[in-house]
Amino acid sequence: QSVLTQPPSVSAAPGQKVTISCSGSDSNVGRNFVSWYQHIPGTAPKLLIYDNTERPSGIPDRFSGSKSGTSATLGITGLQTGDEADYYCGTWDGSLSAGVFGTGTKVAV
Amino acid sequence: QVQLQESGPGLVKPLETLSLTCTVSGTSISSSYWSWIRQSPGKRLEWLGYIYYSGSTNYNPSLKSRLTMEVDMSKGQVFLELASVTAADTAFYYCARVASVTRLDYWGQGILVTVSS
Repeated sequence: QSVLTQPPSVSAAPGQKVTISCSGSDSNVGRNFVSWYQHIPGTAPKLLIYDNTERPSGIPDRFSGSKSGTSATLGITGLQTGDEADYYCGTWDGSLSAGVFGTGTKVAV
Repeated sequence: QVQLQESGPGLVKPLETLSLTCTVSGTSISSSYWSWIRQSPGKRLEWLGYIYYSGSTNYNPSLKSRLTMEVDMSKGQVFLELASVTAADTAFYYCARVASVTRLDYWGQGILVTVSS
């Protein structure tokens, strides 16, 4: 049911930067805030970014978010091996009247 | 520190009802909405719905006919029931705190539920 599209995987060397895109539509990304989650299998998903650009307490500024129109982007700088995980965008879809998530992106360092 | 822990049977037979419990600690259950999300193996996250301590709910329309969520304030627990399960309902099930409809700020580590005879 997910209507948010992400690249399946991205990779970069330690210390480098990656960006992950989240493409949606007017009924979801275009009209609502976007959050980003980090998920290491077997652990609880972690909120990294909310309201498009905001970081919860304790999330380093290596993680950043942005949004333009119907697309959102997560950036990770200074990549560390501990950043290897799956990353998901999420928002609300007014047409579906449901929360929606992206297809997920696996980050390899 | 807010913590959520899912519990319940790891194996459910086809056409039976899946029942899970989310135990909340570190915060009052009446302070927030609470959501259930699932992830089938190799697939995307799927939002199931959310519930307020008052009992007000909002279910995913695609599952609404089979879903029930409840809250027990005295125990600090949130419950999920999914009726008439099939193999397609095999997934990791997560509960999460709803800071807003676009922000789930605390999650449990999830529980794998397999539907099989």
